[in-house]
Amino acid sequence: GIQVEQSPPDLILQEGANSTLRCNFSDSVNNLQWFHQNPWGQLINLFYIPSGTKQNGRLSATTVATERYSLLYISSSQTTDSGVYFCAVGLIFGAGTRLAVHP
Amino acid sequence: GAGVSQSPSNKVTEKGKDVELRCDPISGHTALYWYRQSLGQGLEFLIYFQGNSAPDKSGLPSDRFSAERTGGSVSTLTIQRTQQEDSAVYLCASSFRGYLLTSGSGNTIYFGEGSWLTVV
Repeated sequence: GIQVEQSPPDLILQEGANSTLRCNFSDSVNNLQWFHQNPWGQLINLFYIPSGTKQNGRLSATTVATERYSLLYISSSQTTDSGVYFCAVGLIFGAGTRLAVHP
Repeated sequence: GAGVSQSPSNKVTEKGKDVELRCDPISGHTALYWYRQSLGQGLEFLIYFQGNSAPDKSGLPSDRFSAERTGGSVSTLTIQRTQQEDSAVYLCASSFRGYLLTSGSGNTIYFGEGSWLTVV
Protein backbone atom coordinates (compact mmCIF):
# COMPACT_ATOMS: atom_id res chain seq x y z
CA GLY A 1 0.00 0.00 0.00
CA ILE A 2 0.87 3.64 -0.16
CA GLN A 3 3.53 4.93 2.25
CA VAL A 4 3.32 8.41 3.77
CA GLU A 5 6.34 9.87 5.57
CA GLN A 6 6.41 13.16 7.39
CA SER A 7 9.35 15.20 8.58
CA PRO A 8 10.51 16.43 10.95
CA PRO A 9 8.80 14.31 13.62
CA ASP A 10 9.16 17.09 16.19
CA LEU A 11 9.66 20.83 15.89
CA ILE A 12 10.09 23.54 18.50
CA LEU A 13 9.73 27.18 17.51
CA GLN A 14 9.78 30.59 19.10
CA GLU A 15 6.68 32.62 18.44
CA GLY A 16 7.07 34.56 15.21
CA ALA A 17 9.32 32.04 13.50
CA ASN A 18 8.56 30.39 10.16
CA SER A 19 8.62 26.67 9.45
CA THR A 20 8.25 24.11 6.69
CA LEU A 21 6.77 20.65 7.19
CA ARG A 22 7.25 17.97 4.59
CA CYS A 23 5.18 15.00 3.44
CA ASN A 24 6.62 12.38 1.08
CA PHE A 25 4.43 9.70 -0.45
CA SER A 26 5.18 6.58 -2.40
CA ASP A 27 2.56 6.59 -5.15
CA SER A 28 0.72 9.02 -7.39
CA VAL A 29 -2.35 10.52 -5.77
CA ASN A 30 -5.38 12.60 -6.53
CA ASN A 31 -6.26 13.18 -2.89
CA LEU A 32 -3.87 14.79 -0.40
CA GLN A 33 -4.96 16.70 2.69
CA TRP A 34 -3.25 18.45 5.60
CA PHE A 35 -4.77 18.43 9.08
CA HIS A 36 -3.99 20.09 12.40
CA GLN A 37 -4.76 18.22 15.60
CA ASN A 38 -4.95 20.66 18.49
CA PRO A 39 -3.85 19.78 22.02
CA TRP A 40 -7.45 18.79 22.85
CA GLY A 41 -7.47 16.21 20.07
CA GLN A 42 -9.72 17.93 17.55
CA LEU A 43 -8.67 17.38 13.92
CA ILE A 44 -9.15 20.34 11.61
CA ASN A 45 -8.77 20.13 7.86
CA LEU A 46 -6.29 22.76 6.68
CA PHE A 47 -5.96 22.08 2.97
CA TYR A 48 -7.20 19.74 0.29
CA ILE A 49 -4.26 19.95 -2.11
CA PRO A 50 -3.57 17.08 -4.53
CA SER A 51 -1.47 19.47 -6.63
CA GLY A 52 -0.49 23.11 -6.85
CA THR A 53 -0.36 25.76 -4.16
CA LYS A 54 -2.96 27.14 -1.78
CA GLN A 55 -2.81 29.79 0.91
CA ASN A 56 -4.99 30.49 3.91
CA GLY A 57 -3.77 33.33 6.09
CA ARG A 58 -0.41 32.45 7.60
CA LEU A 59 -0.56 28.92 6.24
CA SER A 60 0.19 27.76 2.74
CA ALA A 61 0.74 24.41 1.12
CA THR A 62 2.33 23.16 -2.07
CA THR A 63 2.09 19.71 -3.59
CA VAL A 64 4.36 18.55 -6.40
CA ALA A 65 2.58 15.39 -7.40
CA THR A 66 5.13 14.36 -10.03
CA GLU A 67 7.85 14.35 -7.39
CA ARG A 68 5.58 12.88 -4.71
CA TYR A 69 5.89 15.42 -1.96
CA SER A 70 3.91 18.16 -0.29
CA LEU A 71 5.03 21.03 1.91
CA LEU A 72 3.13 22.95 4.56
CA TYR A 73 4.45 26.42 5.39
CA ILE A 74 3.65 28.17 8.63
CA SER A 75 4.68 31.81 8.79
CA SER A 76 4.86 34.06 11.88
CA SER A 77 3.98 31.13 14.12
CA GLN A 78 1.76 31.61 17.15
CA THR A 79 1.31 29.51 20.28
CA THR A 80 -2.09 28.47 18.97
CA ASP A 81 -0.32 26.71 16.07
CA SER A 82 0.95 24.09 18.52
CA GLY A 83 -0.25 20.54 18.04
CA VAL A 84 0.31 17.77 15.53
CA TYR A 85 0.20 18.28 11.78
CA PHE A 86 -0.84 15.30 9.70
CA CYS A 87 -0.62 14.69 6.00
CA ALA A 88 -3.16 12.23 4.58
CA VAL A 89 -2.83 10.63 1.16
CA GLY A 90 -6.04 8.90 0.18
CA LEU A 91 -7.04 7.03 3.33
CA ILE A 92 -3.54 6.82 4.83
CA PHE A 93 -2.18 9.26 7.38
CA GLY A 94 1.46 9.96 8.03
CA ALA A 95 2.83 9.76 11.56
CA GLY A 96 2.61 13.53 11.92
CA THR A 97 4.87 16.41 12.91
CA ARG A 98 4.50 17.52 16.53
CA LEU A 99 4.91 21.30 16.73
CA ALA A 100 5.42 23.30 19.90
CA VAL A 101 5.46 27.08 19.64
CA HIS A 102 6.81 28.88 22.70
CA PRO A 103 6.07 32.51 23.55
CA GLY B 1 -26.11 18.37 11.22
CA ALA B 2 -23.51 21.12 11.36
CA GLY B 3 -20.63 18.77 12.04
CA VAL B 4 -19.77 15.12 12.50
CA SER B 5 -21.31 13.91 15.73
CA GLN B 6 -20.02 10.91 17.69
CA SER B 7 -21.35 9.15 20.74
CA PRO B 8 -20.54 8.29 23.40
CA SER B 9 -17.77 10.80 23.89
CA ASN B 10 -16.28 8.61 26.60
CA LYS B 11 -16.79 4.93 27.37
CA VAL B 12 -15.22 2.77 30.04
CA THR B 13 -15.94 -0.92 29.65
CA GLU B 14 -14.80 -4.16 31.19
CA LYS B 15 -12.61 -6.52 29.23
CA GLY B 16 -14.72 -9.02 27.33
CA LYS B 17 -17.79 -6.79 26.96
CA ASP B 18 -19.12 -5.56 23.62
CA VAL B 19 -19.27 -1.86 22.77
CA GLU B 20 -21.03 0.15 20.09
CA LEU B 21 -19.81 3.51 18.89
CA ARG B 22 -22.05 5.75 16.82
CA CYS B 23 -21.26 8.31 14.15
CA ASP B 24 -23.67 10.79 12.59
CA PRO B 25 -21.98 12.39 9.55
CA ILE B 26 -22.53 15.84 8.12
CA SER B 27 -25.87 15.96 6.35
CA GLY B 28 -25.52 15.13 2.66
CA HIS B 29 -22.09 13.55 2.95
CA THR B 30 -21.98 10.26 1.06
CA ALA B 31 -18.65 8.97 2.39
CA LEU B 32 -17.90 8.00 5.96
CA TYR B 33 -14.61 6.91 7.53
CA TRP B 34 -13.56 5.30 10.81
CA TYR B 35 -10.07 5.70 12.25
CA ARG B 36 -8.44 4.71 15.52
CA GLN B 37 -5.82 6.72 17.39
CA SER B 38 -3.94 5.31 20.35
CA LEU B 39 -2.46 7.73 22.87
CA GLY B 40 0.29 9.81 21.29
CA GLN B 41 0.11 7.90 18.02
CA GLY B 42 -1.03 8.56 14.49
CA LEU B 43 -4.32 7.67 12.86
CA GLU B 44 -4.96 4.07 11.90
CA PHE B 45 -7.49 3.57 9.09
CA LEU B 46 -10.27 1.10 9.91
CA ILE B 47 -13.03 1.26 7.30
CA TYR B 48 -14.53 3.48 4.60
CA PHE B 49 -18.18 3.60 3.50
CA GLN B 50 -19.51 4.94 0.24
CA GLY B 51 -23.23 5.15 0.81
CA ASN B 52 -24.13 2.00 2.71
CA SER B 53 -21.42 -0.20 1.23
CA ALA B 54 -17.84 -0.57 2.41
CA PRO B 55 -15.45 -0.64 -0.55
CA ASP B 56 -12.50 -0.73 1.82
CA LYS B 57 -12.55 -2.44 5.21
CA SER B 58 -8.95 -3.54 5.03
CA GLY B 59 -8.05 -1.76 8.25
CA LEU B 60 -10.34 -3.63 10.62
CA PRO B 61 -7.81 -5.23 12.98
CA SER B 62 -9.68 -8.45 13.69
CA ASP B 63 -13.02 -10.18 13.29
CA ARG B 64 -14.05 -8.70 16.64
CA PHE B 65 -14.50 -5.40 14.81
CA SER B 66 -17.44 -4.72 12.53
CA ALA B 67 -19.20 -1.67 11.17
CA GLU B 68 -22.36 -0.89 9.36
CA ARG B 69 -24.02 2.12 7.84
CA THR B 70 -27.72 2.40 7.21
CA GLY B 71 -29.76 4.85 5.17
CA GLY B 72 -26.56 6.38 3.84
CA SER B 73 -26.22 8.24 7.11
CA VAL B 74 -25.53 6.96 10.63
CA SER B 75 -22.79 4.40 11.16
CA THR B 76 -22.11 2.07 14.07
CA LEU B 77 -18.72 0.55 14.88
CA THR B 78 -19.02 -2.54 17.07
CA ILE B 79 -16.20 -4.12 19.02
CA GLN B 80 -16.96 -7.54 20.45
CA ARG B 81 -15.18 -9.10 23.42
CA THR B 82 -13.13 -5.97 24.02
CA GLN B 83 -9.47 -6.27 24.95
CA GLN B 84 -7.22 -3.77 26.70
CA GLU B 85 -5.36 -3.08 23.46
CA ASP B 86 -8.63 -1.77 22.01
CA SER B 87 -8.34 1.28 24.27
CA ALA B 88 -8.02 4.30 21.99
CA VAL B 89 -9.88 7.22 20.52
CA TYR B 90 -12.16 6.13 17.71
CA LEU B 91 -12.57 8.92 15.18
CA CYS B 92 -15.25 9.21 12.56
CA ALA B 93 -15.07 11.47 9.52
CA SER B 94 -17.19 12.24 6.50
CA SER B 95 -16.83 13.85 3.09
CA PHE B 96 -19.28 14.99 0.45
CA ARG B 97 -17.88 12.57 -2.11
CA GLY B 98 -15.77 9.48 -1.51
CA TYR B 99 -12.13 9.61 -2.41
CA LEU B 100 -12.46 6.66 -4.77
CA LEU B 101 -15.06 8.35 -6.94
CA THR B 102 -13.43 11.50 -8.10
CA SER B 103 -10.87 14.11 -7.26
CA GLY B 104 -11.79 17.61 -6.19
CA SER B 105 -12.57 19.46 -2.99
CA GLY B 106 -15.68 17.33 -2.50
CA ASN B 107 -13.30 14.84 -0.96
CA THR B 108 -12.36 17.18 1.90
CA ILE B 109 -12.65 15.13 5.09
CA TYR B 110 -14.21 16.50 8.28
CA PHE B 111 -13.65 14.76 11.61
CA GLY B 112 -15.81 14.37 14.67
CA GLU B 113 -14.44 14.82 18.18
CA GLY B 114 -14.01 11.12 18.72
CA SER B 115 -15.14 8.47 21.17
CA TRP B 116 -12.61 7.76 23.89
CA LEU B 117 -12.72 4.05 24.75
CA THR B 118 -11.04 2.63 27.83
CA VAL B 119 -11.07 -1.12 28.42
CA VAL B 120 -10.30 -2.08 32.01
